[in-house]
Amino acid sequence: GAVVSQHPSRVICKSGTSVKIECRSLDFQATTMFWYRQFPKQSLMLMATSNEGSKATYEQGVEKDKFLINHASLTLSTLTVTSAHPEDSSFYICSASVPGTIDVQYFGPGTRLTVT
Amino acid sequence: QKEVEQNSGPLSVPEGAIASLNCTYSDRGSQSFFWYRQYSGKSPELIMSIYSNGDKEDGRFTAQLNKASQYVSLLIRDSQPSDSATYLCAVNRGTGNQFYFGTGTSLTVIP
Repeated sequence: GAVVSQHPSRVICKSGTSVKIECRSLDFQATTMFWYRQFPKQSLMLMATSNEGSKATYEQGVEKDKFLINHASLTLSTLTVTSAHPEDSSFYICSASVPGTIDVQYFGPGTRLTVT
Repeated sequence: QKEVEQNSGPLSVPEGAIASLNCTYSDRGSQSFFWYRQYSGKSPELIMSIYSNGDKEDGRFTAQLNKASQYVSLLIRDSQPSDSATYLCAVNRGTGNQFYFGTGTSLTVIP
């Protein structure tokens, strides 16, 4: 149980284009999902907390107009990187908590974004 | 002061030895503590969770929590080369379910 998937696993896009990353909870309903970014040899950096049916809460320094988050259902959250630049190249990982459990977060497999 | 601090390593131990990983946290009100393992290029995988003072054992892994000292550790007994990874300590302060991660400790188990 507690499986989180992400799609795509890898994406290469050109500078200036937008990329959408999907995060799904496969066997449970997640009212809250989290989006992280990880640069090489660095730890996870929380970008935003995504709540179903409401606006995401962004961490300080994360541009909400650049990283659009939508949590339209209890099993799906999406992150759209708009007008991507090479410096946005990173490993993007989502996580979700299982409702009713003590706040354990389960991570998706991650999406490797490369902006050329 | 960082929320969660770990020694970045690298930590090297011979196969079969005990690997000891340490973590300190700043918020005394923190309630939940986790250890994740992350292989290169992969996302974190939950290894252990601990919520009360003392030891918690799961197979070759033992998590230790000392809230008075704001200290969490992970012991890996009979270390195997497959344990070579980065180990992330995570702390939940109990507000909004937000996790705070340490920078991770890189462990190499030498055959």
